[in-house]
Amino acid sequence: QQQVKQSPQSLIVQKGGISIINCAYENTAFDYFPWYQQFPGKGPALLIAIRPDVSEKKEGRFTISFNKSAKQFSLHIMDSQPGDSATYFCAAGSNTGFQKLVFGTGTRLLVSP
Amino acid sequence: DTGVSQNPRHKITKRGQNVTFRCDPISEHNRLYWYRQTLGQGPEFLTYFQNEAQLEKSRLLSDRFSAERPKGSFSTLEIQRTEQGDSAMYLCAGRLAGNEQFFGPGTRLTVL
Repeated sequence: QQQVKQSPQSLIVQKGGISIINCAYENTAFDYFPWYQQFPGKGPALLIAIRPDVSEKKEGRFTISFNKSAKQFSLHIMDSQPGDSATYFCAAGSNTGFQKLVFGTGTRLLVSP
Repeated sequence: DTGVSQNPRHKITKRGQNVTFRCDPISEHNRLYWYRQTLGQGPEFLTYFQNEAQLEKSRLLSDRFSAERPKGSFSTLEIQRTEQGDSAMYLCAGRLAGNEQFFGPGTRLTVL
């Protein structure tokens, strides 16, 4: 019940295209859903996050869509660039659990020039 | 730059040795987390501090692991009698009053 399932495992997108990464969760106590970007040898960097009281949040080229009834959320990267090539992790946390994050298994994104 | 620093960045040790890692969050991070990340996986929660109090520990944190946060500032994570299975990236994250956790660059541990 603590798992967060992430797909796809890897993704290749052409420059200018839309990258879409999906996550699903079971624990309805989760109330905070961040996405992190990680480059090799670096720590995860917070990209964007959403709470379940909104269905969508947009920051620049990054958009989170959230479906509370389906317990799913997704990251859309518009106008994908080669510099976006990295591993992306979804995560979920709960205020009742000190917001310790449960992470998905990651999606390796490659944006081809 | 998140303002969270970790030292050392890399540590190679022999099986059975003890190692200690340090995390320095920014002064406003009254909440601090340790995570472990193995190759190809997402980070896994290890332990949580609010100020100097250690409020939660994962069952991943065996009795060979100990973490401290004296005076609610920097934190240390010690692993005693290291095993090859301890090889991983150890990540520290600081958190302000909101939900956002900001990660440091991590310490990569290799146990030979």
